[in-house]
Formats: sequence, structure tokens, C-alpha cells
Amino acid sequence: QQQVKQSPQSLIVQKGGISIINCAYENTAFDYFPWYQQFPGKGPALLIAIRPDVSEKKEGRFTISFNKSAKQFSLHIMDSQPGDSATYFCAASIISGTYKYIFGTGTRLKVLA
Amino acid sequence: GAVVSQHPSRVICKSGTSVKIECRSLDFQATTMFWYRQFPKQSLMLMATSNEGSKATYEQGVEKDKFLINHASLTLSTLTVTSAHPEDSSFYICSASGRGLDTQYFGPGTRLTVL
Repeated sequence: QQQVKQSPQSLIVQKGGISIINCAYENTAFDYFPWYQQFPGKGPALLIAIRPDVSEKKEGRFTISFNKSAKQFSLHIMDSQPGDSATYFCAASIISGTYKYIFGTGTRLKVLA
Repeated sequence: GAVVSQHPSRVICKSGTSVKIECRSLDFQATTMFWYRQFPKQSLMLMATSNEGSKATYEQGVEKDKFLINHASLTLSTLTVTSAHPEDSSFYICSASGRGLDTQYFGPGTRLTVL
């Protein structure tokens, strides 16, 4: 019940295309869902996050779509660029708790020039 | 804002020695700090959670005596890998969260290589 399932494991997208990464969770107590971007040899950097009281959040080219009833959320990267090539992790947490994250398994994105 | 630093960024040591990694929150008070371990091409594995002034809470399977965590102040946590062995070689990442912050901010990571 503590797992967060992430798919796909890897993704190749043409420059200018849309990259879509999906995550699913089971614990309905989760109330915070961040996405992180990680480049090789670096720590993860927060991209965007959402709470369950909204169904979508957009920041620049990055959008989170959240489906509370399906217990799923996804990251959409519009106009994908080669510089977006990185590993993306979704996570879920309970804010009122210890802030402990349950991470997805990661998606390696490669954007072709 | 919300910057977390780690030192050192890379360390190479001989088997049997101890290595200390520092994690600092530079512009906020970190009431909670987390230590992760990451193997190549894998996700982050939480090792322990520490609250300032309290003993760390270790995840199942993480050896408390091998990975010593200290969170003595609101801006500093340390991870000491004691009697390191080659299998301890990994990428260690800390993160921090504080009052009024609903997210974790990650450090740049420390690459540990044990020969």
C-alpha cells in the first residue's frame, strides 16, 4: 500500500514533442505529490508538485494532471527539449506526518534533437 | 531559496576507514533531514529520517551502527559510514525540510568509493 508505481521505465521523445510519465498510488492518505528531475551525478531537483484538491497544475512547460478517484497522477512535458533529458521521479507523501517520501522507480527520458 | 549543500561531493577511501558526509541547509532551518542512498540507474532508497535534537529513525534493513546519523543543529546533519567496505560504495544524498515548507529540498549528493 506504500508503493508508488511509475511508468514507463524509459522514454524517447522527439524534440518539440510531449513527454508523459505516469504514476499510481494506493494509500489514500497521501496528500502531496511532487515530481523531481535528476541529472547524472546530481541530486534531484523539485520540478512541480500538487495537492489532491486540484486536478491540474501548470508551471511553464511542465504540467501535473491528478486523478484522485483513479489514484493516479502524471507529468506532461510540453515542447520537450534535449536539455530535458534526465531521470524523472514521482513521489508521494503525507504532509501532516514526517514528510517521508515514497518514490517511484524513475523514468529515464531522452529527447532527440 | 531552500538550498541544501553537501560536503564532500566525492570521497575515495580505503576499506575499514570511516567517512563523514555533511549536509547543510543554507537558507532555512531544517527541522527534518533525510538520508538516501542511490545505486546506479535506480531510485532513491531512504536510509533514515532525523529531527533536530532527536535520534534518527532508520528504515528497515539499514544498519544503525554502520550508518551513524547526527542532526545536532537546525542547519547541519552528518552521516558517518563506519568501517566502510566496497559494498558501501554508492551515491549518498541528503534532503531537508522545515517549518512552512511542504517539500524536501535535496543536496547535490556525495559519491563514495571504497577501495
